[in-house]
Amino acid sequence: GAVVSQHPSWVICKSGTSVKIECRSLDFQATTMFWYRQFPKQSLMLMATSNEGSKATYEQGVEKDKFLINHASLTLSTLTVTSAHPEDSSFYICSATTPPTGARNEKLFFGSGTQLSVL
Amino acid sequence: KQEVTQIPAALSVPEGENLVLNCSFTDSAIYNLQWFRQDPGKGLTSLLLIQSSQREQTSGRLNASLDKSSGRSTLYIAASQPGDSATYLCAVRGRDDKIIFGKGTRLHILP
Repeated sequence: GAVVSQHPSWVICKSGTSVKIECRSLDFQATTMFWYRQFPKQSLMLMATSNEGSKATYEQGVEKDKFLINHASLTLSTLTVTSAHPEDSSFYICSATTPPTGARNEKLFFGSGTQLSVL
Repeated sequence: KQEVTQIPAALSVPEGENLVLNCSFTDSAIYNLQWFRQDPGKGLTSLLLIQSSQREQTSGRLNASLDKSSGRSTLYIAASQPGDSATYLCAVRGRDDKIIFGKGTRLHILP
């Protein structure tokens, strides 16, 4: 099946620093990737939809300047948490769908997630 | 606004038993429903995808059903094994293309 690689798996940083998380589709081209956030024992909350070559679409309540998303190629999307604070500590997961993107019968494939801890 | 509910929130059963996990959704206008497995601190693994026109899907010991009109889906696990212990999430894709997840059922299979 399709493989989505996410890096790093975990990161600890000081408050005020920025953290970049990478999401790669290894064996397919993903024109659309999704970024989710998950708090302990809670469900995944969609943060934004990342579109290759264009601006990301953010969900209501998600700060665009706080969570910078770049989708520069068909296999790579990055999420940068800028000026991280302890309340940004969470589990971040990316996902992608296999082509043809836009087909609503497509499966979602997920990266392994990144646990962010901001001190 | 679509809401997805999973019951129970947690479940412990002895090894070898068959079990059923439930997922309900409030808006029946969906494209598909997908069941996932999530191990602690890990990403999600897709188990089964059911299109809105389908009634069920099977993969090995797993069987997922969908009753769109009543807004329900079940995931049936036969002959449970300790390795099945994980959190199981269902997610529906609505007509607005948004994918909404339930909070999951934490399953513990007792050896």
